[in-house]
Amino acid sequence: EPEVTQTPSHQVTQMGQEVILRCVPISNHLYFYWYRQILGQKVEFLVSFYNNEISEKSEIFDDQFSVERPDGSNFTLKIRSTKLEDSAMYFCASTRTAGLGPYGYTFGSGTRLTVV
Amino acid sequence: RKEVEQDPGPFNVPEGATVAFNCTYSNSASQSFFWYRQDCRKEPKLLMSVYSSGNEDGRFTAQLNRASQYISLLIRDSKLSDSATYLCVVNEGIGTYKYIFGTGTRLKVLA
Repeated sequence: EPEVTQTPSHQVTQMGQEVILRCVPISNHLYFYWYRQILGQKVEFLVSFYNNEISEKSEIFDDQFSVERPDGSNFTLKIRSTKLEDSAMYFCASTRTAGLGPYGYTFGSGTRLTVV
Repeated sequence: RKEVEQDPGPFNVPEGATVAFNCTYSNSASQSFFWYRQDCRKEPKLLMSVYSSGNEDGRFTAQLNRASQYISLLIRDSKLSDSATYLCVVNEGIGTYKYIFGTGTRLKVLA
């Protein structure tokens, strides 16, 4: 079964450093997403990406964050100047179609980001 | 603010029991509804989509009541392997790519 691949699985970084989280979506999917889950809390939407641009972003996704699809396969989330409260599990997801429809997301296994 | 509300549990049930979870959503414009399963410190995995007419997948039955903005999940003949957190997920509305997740209901099936 096709899967979404995320690397690294765990990243520890010092406050103020920049991190790049990487994702390889399923190859025939067109819509890409980043969500995050702070430990013990709900999964929260960060951003959606389609046709090489951001289609929607949440209030969490401020100037500290950026996304890119640098080539035909990778989808990255960059967090500049990390803060302690950025510590969370970051999930990448992809879909063949937009949010409507019965297919749901396929999530990657996540990157656990720990800011110290 | 658009929300999805779930009873966090935990629901502790014996093997073989039937258990039901409920979820309410606040946005009447939502069009797509799902139940996801999340194991501890793992990614959410799609359990089933929820259709207006209700749908069944083996031991799992999902129902949607659009008038009350209410979704349910019924698990029959619970197995130890069903122990997980069950997330109710709703798309935010027409013209959005965004899904809203509930906090999840924790299920523990006991031997």
